Amino acid sequence: DQQVKQNSPSLSVQEGRISILNCDYTNSMFDYFLWYKKYPAEGPTFLISISSIKDKNEDGRFTVFLNKSAKHLSLHIVPSQPGDSAVYFCAAGYSGAGSYQLTFGKGTKLSVIP
Amino acid sequence: EADIYQTPRYLVIGTGKKITLECSQTMGHDKMYWYQQDPGMELHLIHYSYGVNSTEKGDLSSESTVSRIRTEHFPLTLESARPSHTSQYLCASSDSTRGRETQYFGPGTRLLVL
Repeated sequence: DQQVKQNSPSLSVQEGRISILNCDYTNSMFDYFLWYKKYPAEGPTFLISISSIKDKNEDGRFTVFLNKSAKHLSLHIVPSQPGDSAVYFCAAGYSGAGSYQLTFGKGTKLSVIP
Repeated sequence: EADIYQTPRYLVIGTGKKITLECSQTMGHDKMYWYQQDPGMELHLIHYSYGVNSTEKGDLSSESTVSRIRTEHFPLTLESARPSHTSQYLCASSDSTRGRETQYFGPGTRLLVL
C-alpha cells in the first residue's frame, strides 16, 4: 500500500509558465517532506523540503506548499525552464526516535516545452 | 551538500558472477542507504546503516549484502547475479544536523545482468 502517491505520471508545461506537481500521503506520522529532481541515468538531487509545522517554503523559483488536513503537498516551479525537464519525486519522513527512513512516490515526469 | 560517489556507473555482467557496487561519501555522514529503482517506479530501500558496524535490511527484500567497516564506505555485494537483479542502484547518505534527515544521492549504478 503506497503511503506517498504522485498520481500524475507526467506533466507538460510551456516554458515561462508555472509547473505544479502534486503529492498525497496517507501516513499521519510523516512530519517532513522533500522534493527531489532526477535526470535519466543520474541520482536524485535534493530540491527543497518542508516541515509539518509550516505550510509554505520557498527557494528561488521553487515553492512547496503543505496542506496537512488534506495530506497533500505541491511543488510550484515559476517560471518553468527547459532545464527543469526531469522526473520529480516526492518523499516523506518522520522524526520519531531512531527513524531516518524516507518513503518515496513513483515520480512525475515534467516536460517543459520551449 | 554531500559529495557521494558510486562506481561503476554502468555494469553489464553475466548470470552467476559476483559483483560489488562501491559507494563512498566524504561528508562524514553517519547514515547511509542503498535503494533500488526501476523506470517509472518509486525508490525502494534495500539496505541502510546508521553507523560503523551497523547494517539493516530495508523494506524491499534483496539478495544483496552490505558492510560498513568505515564511515565513508558502504559497498553492496551480489554473490551470484541474476537477470532479476537488473535495475538502477542508488546510494545515499544523510545529514541530520538541521534536525531533519535530508538524504543526498550518488549518481547511481545501472546494472544489466544477462
